[in-house]
Amino acid sequence: DIQMTQSPSSLSASVGDRVTITCRASQIINTYLNWYQQKPGKAPKLLIYVASSLQSGVPSRFSGSGSGTDFTLTIRSLQPEDSATYYCQQSYSSPRTFGQGTKVEIK
Amino acid sequence: EVHLLESGGDLVQPGGSLRLSCAASGFTFSSYAMSWVRQAPGKGPEWVSSISGSGGNTYYAGSVRGRFTISRDSSKDTLYLQMNSLRAEDTAMYYCAKDPDSLGTANHFDCWGQGTLVTVSS
Repeated sequence: DIQMTQSPSSLSASVGDRVTITCRASQIINTYLNWYQQKPGKAPKLLIYVASSLQSGVPSRFSGSGSGTDFTLTIRSLQPEDSATYYCQQSYSSPRTFGQGTKVEIK
Repeated sequence: EVHLLESGGDLVQPGGSLRLSCAASGFTFSSYAMSWVRQAPGKGPEWVSSISGSGGNTYYAGSVRGRFTISRDSSKDTLYLQMNSLRAEDTAMYYCAKDPDSLGTANHFDCWGQGTLVTVSS
């Protein structure tokens, strides 16, 4: 199975800050990398698919980049409603695997 | 608008069985593969099983293969997960999720239900 490792596991940032979360795959996955946002008590929500494609309805302050084994999710200007846990997920091969999550808190 | 509504979660004893359902609306159900994804308390999501749009192909995580069975009924726009020989480690919120195509193989999940809670405990 492909292992997905996210860093950091948590972070605290101020409104308006630029936030970057990284995800590393245990083997090359080309650009088959997706990002989800999960708020407490809610289901995960797709933000970015195939590394850099923005899901419909997702604010443009979210962006993704990377290929191979290293990927990033960037929130350009952090907003209060972005407080959540973010997960990466590889869709290169089965089983589809997720990272352990990065919790983003607002200072 | 796509809507997925899970049901069937409950408290069950180890070794017991449970069937989860997911009622779908807002899209052509038979055109899309569907998946079950679970999330144990405080953990990241874990893919459990997928089924192709036609229902002809099914896929399972190693941790549930031989114990869980995924199926779908396109006449009812409903997805199912039959869970047998349940273990404590199966305790989790179970989400129904829609794939972006009909295949059911590696892909992202573009829409999720709100989840149904399965607790396995004596």
